[in-house]
Amino acid sequence: QKEVEQNSGPLSVPEGAIASLNCTYSDRGSQSFFWYRQYSGKSPELIMFIYSNGDKEDGRFTAQLNKASQYVSLLIRDSQPSDSATYLCTFSGTYKYIFGTGTRLKVLA
Amino acid sequence: GAGVSQSPSNKVTEKGKDVELRCDPISGHTALYWYRQSLGQGLEFLIYFQGNSAPDKSGLPSDRFSAERTGGSVSTLTIQRTQQEDSAVYLCASSLGVGGIGFGQGTRLTVV
Repeated sequence: QKEVEQNSGPLSVPEGAIASLNCTYSDRGSQSFFWYRQYSGKSPELIMFIYSNGDKEDGRFTAQLNKASQYVSLLIRDSQPSDSATYLCTFSGTYKYIFGTGTRLKVLA
Repeated sequence: GAGVSQSPSNKVTEKGKDVELRCDPISGHTALYWYRQSLGQGLEFLIYFQGNSAPDKSGLPSDRFSAERTGGSVSTLTIQRTQQEDSAVYLCASSLGVGGIGFGQGTRLTVV
């Protein structure tokens, strides 16, 4: 089993809709969870992090963590064409950040 | 500097030549990471440095790859006898601790 699993997509949503991105992980000792956004040809940039079970909201983004089920998700409300990118999930149990392969999101205008 | 700085931005080399990629992390960041991203693929962990501790080299794909970090700051990733499959974007990242890592702009390596 891969340490971090994401659906590669592409996930296509119409402009203004909610995009839901999911990630499962295998290490029950993981403490911190992060979502990165990567535009084509650019480096990943950190957009959200979550440590505790439940929801964390930041603007149009909400991260959801369920440690018992070992999944973390990212919701993007009012999706914009500028949100079109690859979204990478990662966690840090000790120090090593293991990344999923990413989900490609396409927001259709 | 304000962010992680990598050089060169692009490197084209002939198969069999050695290359050196440089990373200058954010000032004060004790942790430094190297990742590799092949076209259309995810991030592949290569090596991790933390302060003066022995580096975690578990991700290096072969003994042609090596890295060092001098004075706890600048790091150099060296690839000897480059092969075409080494073509990728090499990303460096740094952090203070467990609050996520920040990436440089990457070095795009092309082996011809």
